[in-house]
Amino acid sequence: DVKVTQSSRYLVKRTGEKVFLECVQDMDHENMFWYRQDPGLGLRLIYFSYDVKMKEKGDIPEGYSVSREKKERFSLILESASTNQTSMYLCASSRNQPQHFGDGTRLSIL
Amino acid sequence: GDSVTQMEGPVTLSEEAFLTINCTYTATGYPSLFWYVQYPGEGLQLLLKATKADDKGSNKGFEATYRKETTSFHLEKGSVQVSDSAVYFCALTDSVGGGADGLTFGKGTHLIIQP
Repeated sequence: DVKVTQSSRYLVKRTGEKVFLECVQDMDHENMFWYRQDPGLGLRLIYFSYDVKMKEKGDIPEGYSVSREKKERFSLILESASTNQTSMYLCASSRNQPQHFGDGTRLSIL
Repeated sequence: GDSVTQMEGPVTLSEEAFLTINCTYTATGYPSLFWYVQYPGEGLQLLLKATKADDKGSNKGFEATYRKETTSFHLEKGSVQVSDSAVYFCALTDSVGGGADGLTFGKGTHLIIQP
């Protein structure tokens, strides 16, 4: 079975902090994705990557950046956290389809 | 752009009732369609998928048929159980971009099954 592991289930940070969310997959997938999930809005794509050191903006990239130095690891970075970035963040990976999801990180920005 | 519209909940049913969750989509290409399920405190799991018109996806008693003429992918189950209580997401990806494309999701339908 594909395993997508997100480093933290719950995280509390303060406004203005630089925040790193880490995601690791164990199936040698080329494609990795970051989504945020908000009540009433569903999941929205922040960034994705189809290869090491490659990245593409999704639908809501503002305030975020990503890093993919190794194939199995995809990091989401909040450069200067703000309260409107309080959300559930979900990482996914795939070779083609379907995408396989991690359990999510619930991030609170105080 | 692409979009997915699904009925919003919560949807509350009694055990053994028939379930339908409606999903319609707008896409420019020839999308692949998915239903994902999210149990409390967990990430999303793929429930079923269909990649071309008239395909029927099925899993765990759930079914959905890709209807190109009505741009729909409604989820059905003949007899629901308490353990089916979860949030269900309809999603699509435009096949033009291949597997690297992100998914476009509906807003999710919270399903509650009462004993």
